[in-house]
Amino acid sequence: EVELVESGGGLVQPGESLRLSCAVSGFHFGSFWMTWVRQAPGKGLEWVANIKQDGGQTYYVDSVKGRFTISRDNANNLLYLQMHSLRVEDTAIYYCARQTTVTLWGQGTLVTVSS
Amino acid sequence: DIQMTQSPSSLSASVGDRVIITCRASQVIRNDLGWYQQRPGKAPRRLIHTASTLQDGVPSRFSGSGSGTEFTLTINSLQPDDFATYYCLQYNSYPLTFGGGTKVEVK
Repeated sequence: EVELVESGGGLVQPGESLRLSCAVSGFHFGSFWMTWVRQAPGKGLEWVANIKQDGGQTYYVDSVKGRFTISRDNANNLLYLQMHSLRVEDTAIYYCARQTTVTLWGQGTLVTVSS
Repeated sequence: DIQMTQSPSSLSASVGDRVIITCRASQVIRNDLGWYQQRPGKAPRRLIHTASTLQDGVPSRFSGSGSGTEFTLTINSLQPDDFATYYCLQYNSYPLTFGGGTKVEVK
């Protein structure tokens, strides 16, 4: 069964850092682009970042450039989102998803940035 | 950046109704568009890709059409499970952008 399971969310203060993980099973992780999408409470969906199969290409939404880093560990089927200098407006559920076309989604992990 | 304008933002409908949701892209995106359904408290799921191709396992009452800048999602004979929020996503160019969402509510 195909599964994407995010973890690492929590409550942090503005300016702090957090690393999200996404554990993948049920498909060949190393063959797919991977994506992070977020959803602020009561709001719509926002694409955050993408990473190529070998990690050699990455793309980010402007609002997180220079603060967030997407990476992957193909040997262990793990996707990461390292988040620095977190802001209140980064508060959201963060979903990992398969492919640029966002075919499959995890259940999400909640990140709350508040003082 | 490509803006995706989705309309309406909400609608009220009854079981059995036909529902049409529209997404307009601010520039041509060929057919690089997907439609997603999100039920309350759940992760989204993809319904349609490449504008009109139904995802495996999705009921045939869902259909998508369009190309270029104008796209529609049609739900024929709305069912109780279909009351949810729907989003379009363009993946033609970065940054990828979602429409603002359409909430389908019970009339």
